Amino acid sequence: RKEVEQDPGPFNVPEGATVAFNCTYSNSASQSFFWYRQDCRKEPKLLMSVYSSGNEDGRFTAQLNRASQYISLLIRDSKLSDSATYLCVVTDDSNYQLIWGAGTKLIIKP
Amino acid sequence: EAGVTQFPSHSVIEKGQTVTLRCDPISGHDNLYWYRRVMGKEIKFLLHFVKESKQDESGMPNNRFLAERTGGTYSTLKVQPAELEDSGVYFCASSHVRGTGASYEQYFGPGTRLTVT
Repeated sequence: RKEVEQDPGPFNVPEGATVAFNCTYSNSASQSFFWYRQDCRKEPKLLMSVYSSGNEDGRFTAQLNRASQYISLLIRDSKLSDSATYLCVVTDDSNYQLIWGAGTKLIIKP
Repeated sequence: EAGVTQFPSHSVIEKGQTVTLRCDPISGHDNLYWYRRVMGKEIKFLLHFVKESKQDESGMPNNRFLAERTGGTYSTLKVQPAELEDSGVYFCASSHVRGTGASYEQYFGPGTRLTVT
């Protein structure tokens, strides 16, 4: 079983729609959670950290469910520029390794 | 502020040859990480330096890989001899503080795409 699992997609979504990504992780000791965004042939960039209380940044909302070991990312009013691969990342904080999901590809269509 | 830089951007070598990848972290960042993404797979941690010391090298695949960070500034990752399965994108990242959550955001370089033929 993979440590971090994501639906690889692709998700084909019309511009303006709302899209949700889910991610599950296997290590219950995981302490920090992130969503990264990676454009084609580019480096991953931190989109947002995920806090236990949930957090929102503009059109993006992240949620964490520790009991179910589940993380989500919601994108509202999607833009063409949101097209990318979204990577779910966790760490257990005893080390500083980032444990990566394989990513979910999102394609926003006009 | 200059970001993380990596050199070369691409490298194509034959099986059995040696390749050295270089990473220059953001100035002042003590933490430096190497990651690798093999085609079709998720990004995997290789190792972590704190200044010039290897803090965690549990992700290094085998002894054909040697990472150094002399002086605690830039780092090199040498693959010798290279095998076909070493092909992939090697990312370097750096961070300033140690802690949890966004306080230790890792900033990634553009990666080196290594192809072993």
